[in-house]
Amino acid sequence: QKEVEQNSGPLSVPEGAIASLNCTYSDRGSQSFFWYRQYSGKSPELIMSIYSNGDKEDGRFTAQLNKASQYVSLLIRDSQPSDSATYLCAVSSIIGGGADGLTFGKGTHLIIQP
Amino acid sequence: ETGVTQTPRHLVMGMTNKKSLKCEQHLGHNAMYWYKQSAKKPLELMFVYSLEERVENNSVPSRFSPECPNSSHLFLHLHTLQPEDSALYLCASSQGFFGPQHFGDGTRLSIL
Repeated sequence: QKEVEQNSGPLSVPEGAIASLNCTYSDRGSQSFFWYRQYSGKSPELIMSIYSNGDKEDGRFTAQLNKASQYVSLLIRDSQPSDSATYLCAVSSIIGGGADGLTFGKGTHLIIQP
Repeated sequence: ETGVTQTPRHLVMGMTNKKSLKCEQHLGHNAMYWYKQSAKKPLELMFVYSLEERVENNSVPSRFSPECPNSSHLFLHLHTLQPEDSALYLCASSQGFFGPQHFGDGTRLSIL
């Protein structure tokens, strides 16, 4: 059973600070890693993708991948109240017939305090 | 229209009804997916289609029946559902299996 683990939170961060979200995964063969943001009652929205070890930056967001440790993280700099949401870590896996699917973590509920 | 569109947005049905959920993607992608999202549980992959061919059904009960007539459209046919099937059903699409998936707004399904 492929698993993706996240701390469910809530994670409370002051406005303007750095929010750090973590994710571990069980399938060593995973090759694609994604972070989605989901507001309450809405569908997941892709915010970052990362495919190789190291850091990837996009605006206020930085994704970090360490395949040896099977660890993915998301940093949000200069956190804003609008960043308050549930952040889902998703990891791709071969699921059969050469196909790929995403295994999602349960998500971390992030609260940015004004 | 752009992105991934799902209809209806909300659906209430009895356990003996038959209904269908519809998904349409306008992104030119070649893979489409159905997910189920229940309260306090992670997103669960139900079905994967690539080039209109089902690749994975992930042990979903037979009361859920997918259909993919072409690479832009995906249906989920529902019959004799149970109360535990009440959830948010999400459709997604991607270009290739390793690309990011883009989600529709979902159908909120309630079984009476």
